[in-house]
Amino acid sequence: QKEVEQNSGPLSVPEGAIASLNCTYSDRVSQSFFWYRQYSGKSPELIMSIYSNGDKEDGRFTAQLNKASQYVSLLIRDSQPSDSATYLCAVIGTGGGNKLTFGTGTQLKVEL
Amino acid sequence: EAGVTQFPSHSVIEKGQTVTLRCDPISGHDNLYWYRRVMGKEIKFLLHFVKESKQDESGMPNNRFLAERTGGTYSTLKVQPAELEDSGVYFCASSTQGQETQYFGPGTRLLVL
Repeated sequence: QKEVEQNSGPLSVPEGAIASLNCTYSDRVSQSFFWYRQYSGKSPELIMSIYSNGDKEDGRFTAQLNKASQYVSLLIRDSQPSDSATYLCAVIGTGGGNKLTFGTGTQLKVEL
Repeated sequence: EAGVTQFPSHSVIEKGQTVTLRCDPISGHDNLYWYRRVMGKEIKFLLHFVKESKQDESGMPNNRFLAERTGGTYSTLKVQPAELEDSGVYFCASSTQGQETQYFGPGTRLLVL
């Protein structure tokens, strides 16, 4: 079992729709969760971090965390073509030192 | 404020050769991380420096990889001798002391032929 799992996609949504990206993790005591966006050939860019159960909203982005189910998701409202990218879920586990464990990423395509 | 920079952006070498990758973190960031993404796989942790000290090198694949951060500023990652399976994108990230948010560089794309 992978430590962080994501559906690789591609996930296609029409412009203006809500895109829902999901991630599960295996380390039950993980405390810190991150969503990075990566455009092709570019560096991963942090868009959301979440540490507590529930929802965290920032503009069009909402991160949701459910530690009991070991599940974290990212919702993108009013999806735009510029949101088309690969979204990486990352977790800081219990090993210390803040090393990130990544999923393989979900490719999102927002279509006109 | 300048972001994390990496050099070179691309490197193509033959099996058995040596390659040195460089990372310049954001100024003032004590934490420096190296990660690698092999084709089709997830980004994986290689090692973590706090200033000039290696905090965690549990992700280094073998002794052909040597990372240094003399003076606690920029870091180098040397692969010697390179093997085909070393091909991938090598990312560097940095963060301030006590912060979990890591800022990534653009990566070095290494191809070993």
